[in-house]
Amino acid sequence: AQRVTQPEKLLSVFKGAPVELKCNYSYSGSPELFWYVQYSRQRLQLLLRHISRESIKGFTADLNKGETSFHLKKPFAQEEDSAMYYCALNSWGKLQFGAGTQVVVTP
Amino acid sequence: KAGVTQTPRYLIKTRGQQVTLSCSPISGHRSVSWYQQTPGQGLQFLFEYFSETQRNKGNFPGRFSGRQFSNSRSEMNVSTLELGDSALYLCASSPTEDYEQYFGPGTRLTVT
Repeated sequence: AQRVTQPEKLLSVFKGAPVELKCNYSYSGSPELFWYVQYSRQRLQLLLRHISRESIKGFTADLNKGETSFHLKKPFAQEEDSAMYYCALNSWGKLQFGAGTQVVVTP
Repeated sequence: KAGVTQTPRYLIKTRGQQVTLSCSPISGHRSVSWYQQTPGQGLQFLFEYFSETQRNKGNFPGRFSGRQFSNSRSEMNVSTLELGDSALYLCASSPTEDYEQYFGPGTRLTVT
C-alpha cells in the first residue's frame, strides 16, 4: 500500500540551528514527492517538489530511492519557518499526505 | 490572479441533513481536487475533477459526491450527514496534469 510517514509530530529548534524533517514513503512506482507548508492562519501551499531540485526559502529535499525518503532540510532555521509541514506523494493521481510535522523555532 | 475561493467558509448542519460546498479554482486551472482534514485522520483525498470528469476518487463512502462545471467551478455534496463528517474541507486547483496544487482557505463543516 502507498503510504507517507512523517515520524515527528513536533520539532522544536532554536533559531540558527539546522532543522531536518523526516519523510518516508512506500510506493511501487516512480514517486513524485512534494513538501507543503501551512503558516499560521494561511493556506496550505507548495514549498518544493523533488523534480525541481531547487531550494526554496533555504529548504532543500533530496529524494533517496534506496531509503525511500524525502527529508526536508534547512541549515539555519529562522523564526518565520515556524509552521506545519506536510510531505505528500502523488499516488496515481491522488495526492497522499503525511500526518504533518509542526515546527517551532524559538529565538 | 485571484486565488482559490471556497464558499461558505463556515457551516453548521444537523445529522441527517445534506450539504453542498463550492469551490472556484484559479482562472485557467482545469483540475480541482477535494480533501477532508480532521485532527484524527489528517488530510485525506476525496476526489479530483478534470474537465468536468471525475478522474480520481479516494476511499470515501458514496454519500460524498462532487461535480465540476464547464467553467471549472466545482461543488461537493455530502448527504445524510454524520457527526464524523465534521471537518475542514479543502479544495485545490492545478493547471493541467501538474500536481502542484493551489489550496483554498477551506470550509469548516460542523455536524451536530
